[in-house]
Amino acid sequence: KQEVTQIPAALSVPEGENLVLNCSFTDSAIYNLQWFRQDPGKGLTSLLLIQSSQREQTSGRLNASLDKSSGRSTLYIAASQPGDSATYLCAVYDYKLSFGAGTTVTVRA
Amino acid sequence: SQTIHQWPATLVQPVGSPLSLECTVEGTSNPNLYWYRQAAGRGLQLLFYSVGIGQISSEVPQNLSASRPQDRQFILSSKKLLLSDSGFYLCAWGTGSYEQYFGPGTRLTVT
Repeated sequence: KQEVTQIPAALSVPEGENLVLNCSFTDSAIYNLQWFRQDPGKGLTSLLLIQSSQREQTSGRLNASLDKSSGRSTLYIAASQPGDSATYLCAVYDYKLSFGAGTTVTVRA
Repeated sequence: SQTIHQWPATLVQPVGSPLSLECTVEGTSNPNLYWYRQAAGRGLQLLFYSVGIGQISSEVPQNLSASRPQDRQFILSSKKLLLSDSGFYLCAWGTGSYEQYFGPGTRLTVT
């Protein structure tokens, strides 16, 4: 059974600092890994999708890396802003999406 | 572009009452469709998925059921709600590359 862990559970940083969010998974036989953002009371917004054959994906200030052999992914958010405050979820797809519990980020102005 | 709708946005129902949540997708054909539940303080749990009309797979045995009467419509139902059914219900649609896109969710409170 796939287990996805996200550390830390919560993170508070001053505006402008870079964010590093970690995700680990137990079974490396995945098709892809997806990072999501969830604002309070809202649905999930897809941020980045990394196929199993890829090492990283970038979108604006966001960069996600994938090391499938070690079962790890990292989401980097450069020059954080208060608008980046949200919960960030990673999910891996083998035959279904398995989610981590998320990292709740607070960016202080 | 593709859009996914869910309604209602919020719902308060008494224990033992029936439930019907609806999800519709626009702008794509024959999508894979999914129902998830997010309970307070817990991660997302896959409840049902569907690869086509009338084709439903259940991931977790419970008093909920799902149906797909049309290509882009997915319905979550219950005949009698339990307190433990409270949560945030999310519908999602998936692409051939297994990327999933989520709807705005329905907050269900069973009293």
